[in-house]
Amino acid sequence: QKEVEQDPGPLSVPEGAIVSLNCTYSNSAFQYFMWYRQYSRKGPELLMYTYSSGNKEDGRFTAQVDKSSKYISLFIRDSQPSDSATYLCATRSGGYNKLIFGAGTRLAVHP
Amino acid sequence: NAGVTQTPKFQVLKTGQSMTLQCAQDMNHNSMYWYRQDPGMGLRLIYYSASEGTTDKGEVPNGYNVSRLNKREFSLRLESAAPSQTSVYFCASSEDGGYGYTFGSGTRLTVV
Repeated sequence: QKEVEQDPGPLSVPEGAIVSLNCTYSNSAFQYFMWYRQYSRKGPELLMYTYSSGNKEDGRFTAQVDKSSKYISLFIRDSQPSDSATYLCATRSGGYNKLIFGAGTRLAVHP
Repeated sequence: NAGVTQTPKFQVLKTGQSMTLQCAQDMNHNSMYWYRQDPGMGLRLIYYSASEGTTDKGEVPNGYNVSRLNKREFSLRLESAAPSQTSVYFCASSEDGGYGYTFGSGTRLTVV
């Protein structure tokens, strides 16, 4: 079993839709959770991070962690064509910076 | 611009050839990483370096070697390329205790 599971999609939505992207993880010791956005033929860039359980909001983006069910989510409100990208969840392993990534979900927002 | 620079951007190798992927960062980060990205597999860690002079294996180190030349530079070497090493390779760096990695723009490698 992979330590971080993520549905690869693709996910196609109309502009203005609310998007929900999800990951599950297996190790209850994970404390830090991140979402990265990757545009085509570019490197991933950090979008949001959260520590332990709870919600974190940044503009149209909300990251949510439910440690009881080992479930992490990213919500995008009022989605825009510029949000079309691959979104990767990641979590931190052990006491070091080393991250474990999900496979990534490809999102397409069409006008 | 500050960030992580990878060279080359594209490379085609024949099976058995060797090559070195170069990576340099100018953010004074201690930690550096090499990942490969394959469809459906996400990012998989090949090697990482917690500081100058130290390197450790990641999830998929077989067929690769690394050198942390100094604090800025971390290179990845393929001694005898195989078709299974066809992938996109990303270098990244991070601060100690930081959550976010800064990634380079990647090297697209094809082994024929």
